[in-house]
Amino acid sequence: DGGITQSPKYLFRKEGQNVTLSCEQNLNHDAMYWYRQDPGQGLRLIYYSQIVNDFQKGDIAEGYSVSREKKESFPLTVTSAQKNPTAFYLCASSWGLNNGELFFGEGSRLTVL
Amino acid sequence: GENVEQHPSTLSVQEGDSAVIKCTYSDSASNYFPWYKQELGKRPQLIIDIRSNVGEKKDQRIAVTLNKTAKHFSLHITETQPEDSAVYFCAASGGGSARQLTFGSGTQLTVLP
Repeated sequence: DGGITQSPKYLFRKEGQNVTLSCEQNLNHDAMYWYRQDPGQGLRLIYYSQIVNDFQKGDIAEGYSVSREKKESFPLTVTSAQKNPTAFYLCASSWGLNNGELFFGEGSRLTVL
Repeated sequence: GENVEQHPSTLSVQEGDSAVIKCTYSDSASNYFPWYKQELGKRPQLIIDIRSNVGEKKDQRIAVTLNKTAKHFSLHITETQPEDSAVYFCAASGGGSARQLTFGSGTQLTVLP
């Protein structure tokens, strides 16, 4: 069953801790993305990757880091430098950067205590 | 950069009535306009999209219209059903690139039985 899987679905962390959100896809898509969703603000792009071992900052990359060691995987680390990390995080993939349709995961809700 | 404004933020309609959600964009170079639907607790999914060489596109009960001169586009849902209740996001991008997608802030549509 093809798709994009995010884990964990819910995550709690204490201030000052880094946390890593997992994103795996078996759609054979080249491009992967991380978005942040806050109430009333739509989806904002954090990082994206077009191919393995390459990734670029999006509009709100500060306080986040990513890696793309495998085509299927694009984990996001929320670092302690992110000032307001409590949010809903969505991973997505597409056939390429120039193919507009995004396929989303079900999201991870991070709460900082 | 691109700025997308979406209205209204909430919309309630009676089952069977029509619903219209409007978006405006600022970058005249944008040429790809998708709409995503996000049901409660689920992932966003593409429901319809339109490119700038087309003024209208229909898919069963859903239609999207584009006015390039006025830089606005709208989602029309006819004969609404309870399962249409969701958050709807519009987006705009130049060159059809997923990287350049800018999302609107979302509209919570509630279809009342």
